[in-house]
Amino acid sequence: QSVLTQPPSVSAAPGQKVTISCSGSSSNIGRNFVSWYEQLPGTAPKLLIYDNNKRPSGIPDRFSASKSGTSATLGITGLQTGDEADYYCGTWDSSLSAWVFGGGTKLTVL
Amino acid sequence: EVQLVESGGGLVQPGGSLRLSCAASGFSFSTHEMNWVRQAPGKGLEWVSYISSSGNTIYYADSVKGRFTISRDNAKNSLYLQMKSLSPEDTAIYYCAREETLAVGGSDTFDVWGQGTMVTVS
Repeated sequence: QSVLTQPPSVSAAPGQKVTISCSGSSSNIGRNFVSWYEQLPGTAPKLLIYDNNKRPSGIPDRFSASKSGTSATLGITGLQTGDEADYYCGTWDSSLSAWVFGGGTKLTVL
Repeated sequence: EVQLVESGGGLVQPGGSLRLSCAASGFSFSTHEMNWVRQAPGKGLEWVSYISSSGNTIYYADSVKGRFTISRDNAKNSLYLQMKSLSPEDTAIYYCAREETLAVGGSDTFDVWGQGTMVTVS
């Protein structure tokens, strides 16, 4: 049981848009910045979004994110088959003194 | 090139011990906080342990507290995870990850990950 809650899976057609939610609490998302990670099949996770909505260099602007209260959302537009991956939200939990992740969301581009 | 390379994984019997290593290169290792994150087969990411740049501050997930010990050798640009009393539930790919604050006024994130090393307890 993950501290952060994500939908297990989402799907959309190529070229469409999808959003992935991440729900937490006042001790984690509510008071700390959120990051998002992309894990392509068989590879290590890669940083996609940091500080709630910032993209590292090299990440296309098709990827965006936001945070409101104790929830965060990742958005991907112009879906490509290469976007098929598992996506994880993560943040620091101030009560647990621990990094916490969501359970991950598998994106399928139909 | 900024790089993290884990090693030391393998097959170990329940109750056994294993020591993982993570070799860092391409950046100033001694100024960065580091973490271990694991992923059981077919499961999500689970944070395991954190160590500050100096090694003075350490945190563990409850699932490994008392059994795992994180450490670092800044002179050797290396991070370690000593694991003991291993159980099948510890079977996972273990990743080391660098913590970094990427923006002024921002917070830490895991911006560099190794390729992982597989630990199988059976």
